[in-house]
Amino acid sequence: DAMVIQNPRYQVTQFGKPVTLSCSQTLNHNVMYWYQQKSSQAPKLLFHYYDKDFNNEADTPDNFQSRRPNTSFCFLDIRSPGLGDAAMYLCATSRITDTQYFGPGTRLTVL
Amino acid sequence: KQEVTQIPAALSVPEGENLVLNCSFTDSAIYNLQWFRQDPGKGLTSLLLIQSSQREQTSGRLNASLDKSSGRSTLYIAASQPGDSATYLCAVRRVTSGSRLTFGEGTQLTVNP
Repeated sequence: DAMVIQNPRYQVTQFGKPVTLSCSQTLNHNVMYWYQQKSSQAPKLLFHYYDKDFNNEADTPDNFQSRRPNTSFCFLDIRSPGLGDAAMYLCATSRITDTQYFGPGTRLTVL
Repeated sequence: KQEVTQIPAALSVPEGENLVLNCSFTDSAIYNLQWFRQDPGKGLTSLLLIQSSQREQTSGRLNASLDKSSGRSTLYIAASQPGDSATYLCAVRRVTSGSRLTFGEGTQLTVNP
């Protein structure tokens, strides 16, 4: 009965090679979020969707893009990964200001 | 700008001890506050959500309190167990930030058998 699913769980890419991470949810929540979390740090919000409305954080690099083709799915695209983009990427969902539910995360390694 | 602080950064206790984790925030205009648990290399698990109008929430051995006016929340864990070892994060949702959460840096808890 997984609620927020992320694929893949581990992703290895080469420096500069585009990569896409995916997130799906079975909760029918209208808000979906992408966070970046580096070791021993708090999650950092990259952007979120309120339904189809995209909300980018001011300090999110242009290298990071997102798509939400329908309520259930959301994708994170990293156009040209650098070594500094190696991190855990977390997807979360909520109903507006209600509880946020997180997926298990995708660990990205950049070689 | 909302700042969220968690003290201590790390805590080690013997099994069976009752313990309190602290969270403070600078902007009291919040919708709610959420406590999470994170195991190494895993995602965040929601423990409790406490609304701004509430004083406390309980789930099993966990009790979260909220004093909005003083900008403080505590997470009380009763009769700690080794399985409680994890990083505990608090996050607040500001009235002016919509659905966004602002996270603290977390408290790393170790419960020793």
